[in-house]
Amino acid sequence: GNSVTQMEGPVTLSEEAFLTINCTYTATGYPSLFWYVQYPGEGLQLLLKATKADDKGSNKGFEATYRKETTSFHLEKGSVQVSDSAVYFCALSVTDTGGFKTIFGAGTRLFVKA
Amino acid sequence: ETGVTQTPRHLVMGMTNKKSLKCEQHLGHNAMYWYKQSAKKPLELMFVYSLEERVENNSVPSRFSPECPNSSHLFLHLHTLQPEDSALYLCASSQDRFPNTEAFFGQGTRLTVV
Repeated sequence: GNSVTQMEGPVTLSEEAFLTINCTYTATGYPSLFWYVQYPGEGLQLLLKATKADDKGSNKGFEATYRKETTSFHLEKGSVQVSDSAVYFCALSVTDTGGFKTIFGAGTRLFVKA
Repeated sequence: ETGVTQTPRHLVMGMTNKKSLKCEQHLGHNAMYWYKQSAKKPLELMFVYSLEERVENNSVPSRFSPECPNSSHLFLHLHTLQPEDSALYLCASSQDRFPNTEAFFGQGTRLTVV
């Protein structure tokens, strides 16, 4: 089946710390992988994506590499800011016999302290 | 502003009430979605519409009834809900129902069933 597993939060970091949020997936077929971010009081918005193995998605200092061998898509940022405090969702999209599927992880809440 | 607008932002309703959630997008997208976001649970896909035709219904109870009168509007009609239906309901749209397509989300309707 298709599923996404994220590390449980919350994750609390000090400003300028290094961030890693782990995401692993299982999928039938060849999924595209996404990270979405949800700021307080808002809906989700796309942060970055990768559509095939070894692709690296990047945006706003965040990066994630599509690792087919480890079925992972970990989110990283070298130096977080207070404004990065939000909930981060890993997601995959795949076409299977049931049609198009987008599956989200449970989300990881990040708190960044000044 | 993501181009997807949801109304109302907050809704409190009794278990015997009937209410509707509205979603509107003017991005020219072909596909629209309803998701349910509950605390500490993965984002749940409820319904998918593609070119105004319902293409996916993920075992959602019949007390939730979607309607897509045209490609820009999506409704979720609610009746005889239960307290466990309290959640954030998110609408999203995308250009197509293909795996590498980005989804644009509205800010959500925070629903409380009393």
